[in-house]
Amino acid sequence: NAGVTQTPKFQVLKTGQSMTLQCAQDMNHNSMYWYRQDPGMGLRLIYYSASEGTTDKGEVPNGYNVSRLNKREFSLRLESAAPSQTSVYFCASRQSGGHGYTFGSGTRLTVV
Amino acid sequence: ELKVEQNPLFLSMQEGKNYTIYCNYSTTSDRLYWYRQDPGKSLESLFVLLSNGAVKQEGRLMASLDTKARLSTLHITAAVHDLSATYFCAVDPQYGGATNKLIFGTGTLLAVQP
Repeated sequence: NAGVTQTPKFQVLKTGQSMTLQCAQDMNHNSMYWYRQDPGMGLRLIYYSASEGTTDKGEVPNGYNVSRLNKREFSLRLESAAPSQTSVYFCASRQSGGHGYTFGSGTRLTVV
Repeated sequence: ELKVEQNPLFLSMQEGKNYTIYCNYSTTSDRLYWYRQDPGKSLESLFVLLSNGAVKQEGRLMASLDTKARLSTLHITAAVHDLSATYFCAVDPQYGGATNKLIFGTGTLLAVQP
């Protein structure tokens, strides 16, 4: 089925470990986004990519890096995980010229 | 900085009753989205409102947009238990050629009691 695929679905990290969250879409969308969701705070934009080769900071970029590997893939990297990064992470994509955003199923990350 | 505020944050209502969730935002925009999220799940798109005065309805839910007041409402008519979920509004502040992106409100947890 067409859509946004995130891997892994669950992850537990120790403080200071690094990891990369993967996101891929097969809808030929130009724009891709990373959000984190914390209780009582809604979804907050971490980074986004308007097109292949470009990335921009969102509301809460500190502690994260991103790579727009190609048009399909947009990864989020935590270089040195902290307990404050415990959250659910959602990837999304958007068709240029359209209005709809498609969200992945999320990655639940716990940092201990 | 764009701020999106929803109220109430929590809403407990009885089946059969009507209620409204409010979404205020702080900057000019004519693109507003409503999403539903069930526990442990991703976001499900409900409505996309693209102009001042836009009104959309689906079943027991109706959403409207007033861009001059920077206000959107999600009205629930004759609530049923299946509507229990968290509802988010989100604004696309696209202006000055900036890239489209969504800024979310904090969400409204709706619990419909029998």
